[in-house]
Amino acid sequence: DGGITQSPKYLFRKEGQNVTLSCEQNLNHDAMYWYRQDPGQGLRLIYYSQIVNDFQKGDIAEGYSVSREKKESFPLTVTSAQKNPTAFYLCASKTARLAGRTGELFFGEGSRLTVL
Amino acid sequence: DAKTTQPPSMDCAEGRAANLPCNHSTISGNEYVYWYRQIHSQGPQYIIHGLKNNETNEMASLIITEDRKSSTLILPHATLRDTAVYYCIVRVATGGATNKLIFGTGTLLAVQP
Repeated sequence: DGGITQSPKYLFRKEGQNVTLSCEQNLNHDAMYWYRQDPGQGLRLIYYSQIVNDFQKGDIAEGYSVSREKKESFPLTVTSAQKNPTAFYLCASKTARLAGRTGELFFGEGSRLTVL
Repeated sequence: DAKTTQPPSMDCAEGRAANLPCNHSTISGNEYVYWYRQIHSQGPQYIIHGLKNNETNEMASLIITEDRKSSTLILPHATLRDTAVYYCIVRVATGGATNKLIFGTGTLLAVQP
């Protein structure tokens, strides 16, 4: 079945370590997004990518990096520069080919990162 | 960017209609209203969206006021599985095809047995 797969589902990291969260989609969607969610709060946009080899900073990009070498993949690296990395991370994708309309976002199941 | 305002929480009895309000008084003429919901510790799920006309699908109905400054999501027969955080979102467009969806804190709907 088509969908978005995030891994790992749970991840523990020591302070000062970089960690990469995987996001793969087989929906043939052009656009992909990374959001961060803190307890009791809404989603905040970290990075997004409309096409391969292009990506843009969202509202809270500091301390994060991404790449988009393949259409299907949009990994997120949480670097040691991110001061409060413990959070629930959500990846989403959306086709950008619906001219004049936004498509719906399809979300993965999330990755919960805990910094020890 | 247009913002939305939703009540932080609501209760609804199982089997009754759940009516979730959303204010978006600064919405622009070409911005859509989207609704998503998020069950605890899962990714959000798309429910419905609309521009100015009322919309209905198998999950819910969306009623948008004539001035488009507010909308209501209606779950006609709420079940326990509808307990979730419901997000009302207004599309923002920056530059070309960039369509960021900005999520607020949403409404926690608790369906009671």
